[in-house]
Amino acid sequence: SQELEQSPQSLIVQEGKNLTINCTSSKTLYGLYWYKQKYGEGLIFLMMLQKGGEEKSHEKITAKLDEKKQQSSLHITASQPSHAGIYLCGAALNTGNQFYFGTGTSLTVIP
Amino acid sequence: DAMVIQNPRYQVTQFGKPVTLSCSQTLNHNVMYWYQQKSSQAPKLLFHYYDKDFNNEADTPDNFQSRRPNTSFCFLDIRSPGLGDAAMYLCATSRGLAGAYEQYFGPGTRLTVT
Repeated sequence: SQELEQSPQSLIVQEGKNLTINCTSSKTLYGLYWYKQKYGEGLIFLMMLQKGGEEKSHEKITAKLDEKKQQSSLHITASQPSHAGIYLCGAALNTGNQFYFGTGTSLTVIP
Repeated sequence: DAMVIQNPRYQVTQFGKPVTLSCSQTLNHNVMYWYQQKSSQAPKLLFHYYDKDFNNEADTPDNFQSRRPNTSFCFLDIRSPGLGDAAMYLCATSRGLAGAYEQYFGPGTRLTVT
């Protein structure tokens, strides 16, 4: 079983459109992270959320952690081809150092 | 400036021939991680070092070992690579525990086993 489920698995959008990616856990999240990965490369840190209800934004990307701290969403406004890649949520699911990544969402932005 | 460096970027090894992957960091972070990422899958944590303390994930095969001779360097040793070990291997660092601090990733080493 997968500790963190992401949806959708893949997304193809026209440039300029808004989109949302979800990350759901069956357990309480102790720190939720969003990363972006280009094919064949390492992961780039986007944002970290720790408190229930927390929301952070960077440029056109906004991430939220719900009040119960079991789900997070990543929203991209006015998507651009540079947003294309694989988006991964990651989290510690207990107070130890076990860290899991979500199943990933592949984003394609058509110019 | 590179902060987490992995060498080599591409490694080809023969079935059963030991191989070592290298990771170095300029961030002076306490924690270093090794992840395995197979094609179209999420990275899977193999083990990590918190300073000199080694923490192995329960399902990491014995075939995989790690060494951290100092703060800056960490090595992944695969004693007898099998075809199923072909993957991207990612090194990451963080100041402290993963739940409280973000991880910084290297570019990865793609391992091919022939």
